[in-house]
Amino acid sequence: QKEVEQDPGPLSVPEGAIVSLNCTYSNSAFQYFMWYRQYSRKGPELLMYTYSSGNKEDGRFTAQVDKSSKYISLFIRDSQPSDSATYLCAMIEYGNKLVFGAGTILRVKS
Amino acid sequence: NAGVTQTPKFQVLKTGQSMTLQCAQDMNHNSMYWYRQDPGMGLRLIYYSASEGTTDKGEVPNGYNVSRLNKREFSLRLESAAPSQTSVYFCASSEFRTADQPQHFGDGTRLSIL
Repeated sequence: QKEVEQDPGPLSVPEGAIVSLNCTYSNSAFQYFMWYRQYSRKGPELLMYTYSSGNKEDGRFTAQVDKSSKYISLFIRDSQPSDSATYLCAMIEYGNKLVFGAGTILRVKS
Repeated sequence: NAGVTQTPKFQVLKTGQSMTLQCAQDMNHNSMYWYRQDPGMGLRLIYYSASEGTTDKGEVPNGYNVSRLNKREFSLRLESAAPSQTSVYFCASSEFRTADQPQHFGDGTRLSIL
C-alpha cells in the first residue's frame, strides 16, 4: 500500500466550476501538507502549504486537512483554463522525507 | 530570477553509457535534492544533500551517484545507464532540510535509455 494515495484522473470540468482534489494517507505522523501544481514539461511549483488540521485560503484556492480521517483536499473556485495541470499532494513527517502522491490531471474546458 | 536550473533538458543514451545531470540554484539554499518522476509513481527521492559537504541516500539510490560540488551545484551521475532509469529527473532545493521549508524545483531532465 502506498503511503499517499491520489486519484490520477483526468478530471475534466467546465470553466467556472468548483474543483475538489483529494489525497488520503496512511502515516498518522505526517504533520505538514502541501499541494504542488505541475504544468506539462515543467517542474512542480508550490501552491499551498499547511500545518496540521484546518483550512487555509489563498485567493481562489483553499487547502483543507482532516488528520482524524487522514484526508486532505484542495478546492479551486471559479476554475480557469490556466488551472489545467497536474496537482500533486505532498506531506512530511517532521525531520523526514517529503512523500508525494502520484498526481491528479485536471482539465478545465473553456 | 532563474531559481533552479537543470541541464540538459533532454538526453538519449544507450544502455551502459554514463551521464552526469547538472543542477544549480541561485537562492543560496543549503539543501538540494534529486528526484525521479515516473508515471503512476509520483516523485521519488534518489539522493539529497542537507548541506554543503554532505550527501545521503533517498528512497531509490541504486545505480546513481551524486556530488555536491559547492553550495550552488549538485550533480547526479549514472555510471552505467539501464532502461529502467528512463525517467524525468528533477532537482530541487530548500533553505534547510526541515519540514517547514518548502522545496523549489527545476524544470527537469527527460532521459531516455535505449
